[in-house]
Amino acid sequence: NAGVTQTPKFQVLKTGQSMTLQCAQDMNHNSMYWYRQDPGMGLRLIYYSASEGTTDKGEVPNGYNVSRLNKREFSLRLESAAPSQTSVYFCASSESRGSQPQHFGDGTRLSIL
Amino acid sequence: QKEVEQDPGPLSVPEGAIVSLNCTYSNSAFQYFMWYRQYSRKGPELLMYTYSSGNKEDGRFTAQVDKSSKYISLFIRDSQPSDSATYLCAMIGETSGSRLTFGEGTQLTVNP
Repeated sequence: NAGVTQTPKFQVLKTGQSMTLQCAQDMNHNSMYWYRQDPGMGLRLIYYSASEGTTDKGEVPNGYNVSRLNKREFSLRLESAAPSQTSVYFCASSESRGSQPQHFGDGTRLSIL
Repeated sequence: QKEVEQDPGPLSVPEGAIVSLNCTYSNSAFQYFMWYRQYSRKGPELLMYTYSSGNKEDGRFTAQVDKSSKYISLFIRDSQPSDSATYLCAMIGETSGSRLTFGEGTQLTVNP
């Protein structure tokens, strides 16, 4: 009964390094999402994938890329990390775009020095 | 100005108290309203989901929506230490292009 699994749970990077955050869901959901959570800002949508083979920008996409590898997996890549990308990143999935609830993973805590 | 405003707290109450958590919003396109609960170092989980104006009750939790005032509330009766968490309101419009918009969350501590 894993739900949404995110790896890694913690990571420290230096400015300019690259990294890929991994997300997998086992609920056969069509839609997947990447959010970042920052103090005073709440959860903000970075990118989403309404269905396998499609991806679209959310509210704060700059500095990120995504790949919907298959129906289960949706990765988030930071090509050249910046201190402003220090955040907690959450992956979520839902049956379809806009359907509720969205099921969240437990997050990746990313620090960029 | 944020589309969804939520007082971040922190809010500290004694066990057994009635807790009231609130959000206001500015976008009249929002039609579906949710409350998520987030424990420390965990992802948010859906607690309540409502559509129409009025009240929805689930055990000790009551969600209230007033679309005319653009105001939603979550009431917790007989609060327990296990209710200590951050509560996030969230809302979404009816069209397929809508995205879920969150408040910043209210941190609640229920003291035994």
